[in-house]
Amino acid sequence: DAGITQSPRYKITETGRQVTLMCHQTWSHSYMFWYRQDLGHGLRLIYYSAAADITDKGEVPDGYVVSRSKTENFPLTLESATRSQTSVYFCASDGRGRPTTGDTQYFGPGTRLTVL
Amino acid sequence: RKEVEQDPGPFNVPEGATVAFNCTYSNSASQSFFWYRQDCRKEPKLLMSVYSSGNEDGRFTAQLNRASQYISLLIRDSKLSDSATYLCVVNAASGGSYIPTFGRGTSLIVHP
Repeated sequence: DAGITQSPRYKITETGRQVTLMCHQTWSHSYMFWYRQDLGHGLRLIYYSAAADITDKGEVPDGYVVSRSKTENFPLTLESATRSQTSVYFCASDGRGRPTTGDTQYFGPGTRLTVL
Repeated sequence: RKEVEQDPGPFNVPEGATVAFNCTYSNSASQSFFWYRQDCRKEPKLLMSVYSSGNEDGRFTAQLNRASQYISLLIRDSKLSDSATYLCVVNAASGGSYIPTFGRGTSLIVHP
């Protein structure tokens, strides 16, 4: 199905473990984003990517790594998970440059990550 | 100071009421503006873009005031189903790209 998907939807892990959250979009959007959402902070940008092999830091990048070898995929890795990374993670893409979508963002359903 | 600020609310209104939210932004070079709706920490979904001339979509009206650097959302004839969190989003220049910044959201509760 067309759209933006995230996996897993729920993840429980332990402090110090490496975790990778997956994001896949079928629109061939050039821009993709990773956010975390915590009570009291709203949505905060972790990393974004303007195209394959081009990534840049957002507001809260520490402790996270991203890659984008293909336009449709934008995985987010927590190299050594900490309790403070317990959060809801949203991936998004936007269709800037396209007349029908502009720079509207489309979000995946989110991954709820708990670090014990 | 956060780049995009919203009153977190909650705004508690009866059905049929008119309610308005404001959102202020600090970057005068901001390019595009949006209102998103988020239900119970599900993914945010676009409610409407905000244009310089103002725009309306049914019961919803959005306006942009570049001089005072704020955007607004007006909801007329509130429905129970309007209960949600409304997120203000501003796209501003950052390192050659226009990157979105979200406000923390305004909570709306519509009661019978």
